[in-house]
Amino acid sequence: EVQLVESGGGLVQPGGSLRLSCEASGFNIGSHWMSWVRQTPGKGLEWVANINEDASSKDYVGAVKGRFTVSRDNAKNTLYLQLNSLGAEDSALYYCARTAGSTRGLDCWGQGTLVTVSS
Amino acid sequence: DIQMTQSPSSVSASVGDRVTITCRASQDIRGWLAWYQHKPGKAPNLLISATNTLQTGVPSRFSGSRSGTDFTLTISGLQPEDFATYYCQQAKVSPDTFGQGTKVESK
Repeated sequence: EVQLVESGGGLVQPGGSLRLSCEASGFNIGSHWMSWVRQTPGKGLEWVANINEDASSKDYVGAVKGRFTVSRDNAKNTLYLQLNSLGAEDSALYYCARTAGSTRGLDCWGQGTLVTVSS
Repeated sequence: DIQMTQSPSSVSASVGDRVTITCRASQDIRGWLAWYQHKPGKAPNLLISATNTLQTGVPSRFSGSRSGTDFTLTISGLQPEDFATYYCQQAKVSPDTFGQGTKVESK
């Protein structure tokens, strides 16, 4: 079964850091672009970052550039998102997702990990 | 960044109704548009990619179309399990961007 499982979320103070992980099973992430998407409380989906198959290409939404870093360990079949300098606006449910090769849709999602930034 | 303007923000409908949701891109994205269904407490589910490619297992009552920079998701014959929030997403230019969402509610 193709599955993504996120972990690493939690309560963190403003200015703090967290590292989110996304472990894949049932497929090889090394064959796919991977993405992070977040949903803020009561609001919609926001694309956060993506990374290509060999990590040579990464991109971020403007609101997180310079603060978040996406990375991957294909040998561990795991995707990461390092979150630094967190603010209240970063509180959200963070999903990882797999990009379908030819059509670019996000065809497999995890259940999400919740990040709460509060003092 | 490309802006995706999705409408309506909500729609009240009954089982059996035809529901139409629209997304307008702020610039040409060719056919690189996907539609997702999202239910509370669950992961989003990809319904349609590349404007009109139905994902495996998605019922044929869901369909997508395009006219220039306007994209439409149609649900032909709404079923009880279709009450959810729907999002469009452009994948032509990074950063990918989502529409604001359309909540399909029971009338």
